[in-house]
Amino acid sequence: NAGVTQTPKFRILKIGQSMTLQCTQDMNHNYMYWYRQDPGMGLKLIYYSVGAGITDKGEVPNGYNVSRSTTEDFPLRLELAAPSQTSVYFCASRTAGGSNYGYTFGSGTRLTVV
Amino acid sequence: DQQVKQNSPSLSVQEGRISILNCDYTNSMFDYFLWYKKYPAEGPTFLISISSIKDKNEDGRFTVFLNKSAKHLSLHIVPSQPGDSAVYFCAASGGSGGGADGLTFGKGTHLIIQP
Repeated sequence: NAGVTQTPKFRILKIGQSMTLQCTQDMNHNYMYWYRQDPGMGLKLIYYSVGAGITDKGEVPNGYNVSRSTTEDFPLRLELAAPSQTSVYFCASRTAGGSNYGYTFGSGTRLTVV
Repeated sequence: DQQVKQNSPSLSVQEGRISILNCDYTNSMFDYFLWYKKYPAEGPTFLISISSIKDKNEDGRFTVFLNKSAKHLSLHIVPSQPGDSAVYFCAASGGSGGGADGLTFGKGTHLIIQP
């Protein structure tokens, strides 16, 4: 059971380049999320999705785009990389509803923009 | 404007003693609270949660206490073990229906268990 898988684990981008961070989960979770974590800070929500074809902005969506064409995949797109996007990115998923739940996180993608 | 606050960036505890990690929140709409543990270069791992209808939840060595009137929760680890050394994040979710719109995290507390 792989859980939430993120690729790549590390990436260095030049300013203005674009890239897609991949996230896939095999738990049939409806809800998926992208967070970023800056040094010494908590995780901040970038975008989330409650199901295929449905996405919504979180706290810090500027400079990012997402899509959700399948239940399993939730890629995060950076179109014009900026130094402010240097961070560790975490993808997460959880089942919908229920009275007791925990989010499952991937191991993260460490992105440096130079 | 931090809605979830962990005011202790680090905490050092001797092995075998109790570790108490604290968390305060300001948003009265939060109704579900979680604790995550994070090792370096790994994603956060779910530890324990509590609904606002309860004031205590226990799972093995881990107990979470919730004081709604004070908007305060705490995580107790008894006894503390070397493997507990990690960063602990407090997180909160708001609204009915499971809070689909994600979690709000504190900045974390680095727990160090000393032999």
